[in-house]
Amino acid sequence: GNSVTQMEGPVTLSEEAFLTINCTYTATGYPSLFWYVQYPGEGLQLLLKATKADDKGSNKGFEATYRKETTSFHLEKGSVQVSDSAVYFCALSDETGGFKTIFGAGTRLFVKA
Amino acid sequence: EAGVAQSPRYKIIEKRQSVAFWCNPISGHATLYWYQQILGQGPKLLIQFQNNGVVDDSQLPKDRFSAERLKGVDSTLKIQPAKLEDSAVYLCASSFTSGRRDEQFFGPGTRLTVL
Repeated sequence: GNSVTQMEGPVTLSEEAFLTINCTYTATGYPSLFWYVQYPGEGLQLLLKATKADDKGSNKGFEATYRKETTSFHLEKGSVQVSDSAVYFCALSDETGGFKTIFGAGTRLFVKA
Repeated sequence: EAGVAQSPRYKIIEKRQSVAFWCNPISGHATLYWYQQILGQGPKLLIQFQNNGVVDDSQLPKDRFSAERLKGVDSTLKIQPAKLEDSAVYLCASSFTSGRRDEQFFGPGTRLTVL
C-alpha cells in the first residue's frame, strides 16, 4: 500500500540556518505530493504541493521537488525564521488509494533566535 | 472566507462514555473528511464523505464509531463507548472535490482525552 516516511524530529536550528526535512514515499500509482504545516494551536494548512515528476512546489520561501527516480519530496528553506517553528507533514494522494491522503508522522521544527 | 469550524475544542471523558464532535466545512466544499491524529503520528483518515454519501470508511472502527453528514453540509462523529486508546485529536477537513490534486482545509481539531 501507499506510505510516507519522513525524518524524525525534533529538528532544532538557529535563525537563518538552512533547513532540510527528508520525505520519501511508496505508491503504486502516480501520486500528488504535499507538505502541510501545523503551527502551534492551529489546524494543518497546505504549504506546497507538486502533482507530477520534476515539479517544484514553493511557498513562503519553502521548496520541494518531486523526484520520481528517488521517490522523494524533501522540504528545504534557505533561511529559517523563528516563526517557522511548527510541525511539518509530508503527504501523498493517488488514484490507486482512492485519492485517500496518506500522511507521514510529522517533523517538529524549533527555530531559536 | 470562513474556515472549517469544529466543536468542542477539548473534551475529557471516562472510558465507556459516549462523545460527539461537530464539524462545519467551508461553504461549497463537497468533500468532508474526519481524521484521527494520535500524539506523535500523522493524521489517519477515518471516513470521507462526498456530499452526504460515504466514499471511504475502511479505517473507521464501526463497532464504536459512527459519522453522518445528513444534509451534505455539517457532520458529526460519535464514539460510543469510548476506550482509552481513542485519546487523540480528531480533525475535520474539507475540499472542493476529491481529486488527487485537491487541497484539504483543516479545522483546529478536537482534543479528546479518555480517562
